Amino acid sequence: GQNIDQPTEMTATEGAIVQINCTYQTSGFNGLFWYQQHAGEAPTFLSYNVLDGLEEKGRFSSFLSRSKGYSYLLLKELQMKDSASYLCANSGNTPLVFGKGTRLSVIA
Amino acid sequence: ETGVTQSPTHLIKTRGQQVTLRCSSQSGHNTVSWYQQALGQGPQFIFQYYREEENGRGNFPPRFSGLQFPNYSSELNVNALELDDSALYLCASSLPDNYGYTFGSGTRLTVV
Repeated sequence: GQNIDQPTEMTATEGAIVQINCTYQTSGFNGLFWYQQHAGEAPTFLSYNVLDGLEEKGRFSSFLSRSKGYSYLLLKELQMKDSASYLCANSGNTPLVFGKGTRLSVIA
Repeated sequence: ETGVTQSPTHLIKTRGQQVTLRCSSQSGHNTVSWYQQALGQGPQFIFQYYREEENGRGNFPPRFSGLQFPNYSSELNVNALELDDSALYLCASSLPDNYGYTFGSGTRLTVV
């Protein structure tokens, strides 16, 4: 089976950096995805890691360690609009399996 | 290129009724996956369709069924609605390699 864990809620200050962690256990692995979801809207793709290491894309970066079953999403220079849920998802032997999401609140 | 379109956007049904939700996939995508997202939870995989055949199913009872049409659009049908079926239903299209999912905006179903 598959199990994905991430913190339920986080709060950070505008302009700061925040790291959202995700651990996973899976019977197969084809990549680790991060999605952003604003309340009542569809998830939107942020990043994809299939090899170990850091992938940087503007203010957002994602890291993967396959041996540890661990990933994190790093958000820099936080803006109020970054307040959203962040979903970690694993693509293994089945279609995407999502964690419960981390609700990030950015405060002034 | 068009994205994923779902209809309706909102729906209210009575317990015991049946509902059909619709999804048009992104141009060039031949695989459609359906997810149920309860409030405050992550999306839960219901099933996936590829070339009009079910290609994987999550832990949902048989009263959740689906179809995919030759143009790759899809329907999700739920019979004998229960209160716990109230959720956001998301459709995502992709190529068969399961990379590059594109999600629709979802259908918010409320069962009363």
